Amino acid sequence: DIQMTQSPASLSASLGETVTIECRASEDIYNGLAWYQQKPGKSPQLLIYNANSLHTGVPSRFSGSGSGTQYSLKINSLQSEDVASYFCQQYYNYPFTFGSGTKLEIK
Amino acid sequence: QVQLKESGPGLVQPSQTLSLTCTVSGFSLTSYDVHWVRQPPGKGLEWMGGIWGDGSTAYNSALKSRLSISRDTSKSQVFLKMNSLQTEDTAIYFCTRSVYYGLMDAWGQGASVTVSS
Repeated sequence: DIQMTQSPASLSASLGETVTIECRASEDIYNGLAWYQQKPGKSPQLLIYNANSLHTGVPSRFSGSGSGTQYSLKINSLQSEDVASYFCQQYYNYPFTFGSGTKLEIK
Repeated sequence: QVQLKESGPGLVQPSQTLSLTCTVSGFSLTSYDVHWVRQPPGKGLEWMGGIWGDGSTAYNSALKSRLSISRDTSKSQVFLKMNSLQTEDTAIYFCTRSVYYGLMDAWGQGASVTVSS
């Protein structure tokens, strides 16, 4: 199985700041990488797919990058509505596996 | 619009079988894959398995011996059955739509399942 190691586990930042979340795969996943946002008490929502493509309706302050085994999610100009947990997921091969999540809070 | 809705019992006794139904609308089960993902309280996400548009299935090897996923296309429903439940199976169970392989672009609201006597 492909292991996804996500960091940091939690993050606290101020409104307007830029934050970055990292995800490392245990083997090359050839950009088969998605990022999801999960707000408290809600189901996850797709943000980014194919490592760097923005899903329909997602604000442009979200962006993804990376290749091979290293990927990252960047959120520019942090807004209060960005408080959530973020998960990476590889869909290059099954079993599809998720990172352990990053909980983002506002300072 | 695309919708998925999970339904099933909120409480299951240890060693019993869990049966969940995912009712979808806004898309055809023969054109998209549907997966089940679960999330224990306060924890991360685990892919359980899925049923592809052609009706074939794939399972997480960690659950394969206990898990079965099927569907009724005429009713736009996907079913999950998992036997020999234990307390560690307590979780929110989501059904999701996949637009490509395991890329999940729509999620249900989730069904909370507690395993307890």
